[in-house]
Amino acid sequence: QVQLRESGPGLVKPSQTLSLTCTVSGGSISSNTYFWGWIRQPAGKGLEWIGRIYNSGSTNYNPSLKSRVTISVDTSKNQFSLKLSSVTAADTAIYYCARVLRFHNQALDPWGQGTLVTVSS
Amino acid sequence: EIVLTQSPATLSLSPGERATLSCRASQSVSSSLAWYQQKPGQAPRLLIYDASNRATGIPARFSGTGSGTDFTLTISSLEPEDFAVYYCQQGLTFGGGTKVEIK
Repeated sequence: QVQLRESGPGLVKPSQTLSLTCTVSGGSISSNTYFWGWIRQPAGKGLEWIGRIYNSGSTNYNPSLKSRVTISVDTSKNQFSLKLSSVTAADTAIYYCARVLRFHNQALDPWGQGTLVTVSS
Repeated sequence: EIVLTQSPATLSLSPGERATLSCRASQSVSSSLAWYQQKPGQAPRLLIYDASNRATGIPARFSGTGSGTDFTLTISSLEPEDFAVYYCQQGLTFGGGTKVEIK
């Protein structure tokens, strides 16, 4: 079955750019049935959508983060990536990648295990 | 922008009891709603999609109903492993979550 795994630095300095990669295994990121998404969760708080990407490179972002977010896809590596610029302590969170069910109202299944990113000097 | 309001924030129940969780949308979303379970230290897991369809491997004690603006997730008889936080989701929006805790 398909599995997703996030990777990237666990510590980012304020004002710098957070960069994460999600590697998809057991399935093709080029499938027409899915989008691929990023979600985050600050400690002890709820879930926040960051954005999603289709295999063509078409993206949709959370309006509250849109000015700082870039999501890209590399179909040759079966990976998609997140960049979040000008980070502050408020961006400290667990970051999850997930497969988005394109024809089921964007339900998310499965999710990666998540990776903690801390913004601190 | 659609806002999803979940209630109650916390539900205190005993194993074997029935749990009823609510998710209300600020405007009609048809049947475009999903439910997730999250246990401490774990990623969320999809339970229900399209308001009423159980995801693969989800036990039959979990059921989802509703359409338009009002949705319900029901756990017919709580098992010890069901005590967790539950979120609803529509598009790019999540509800604030309901914690189901042991009474």
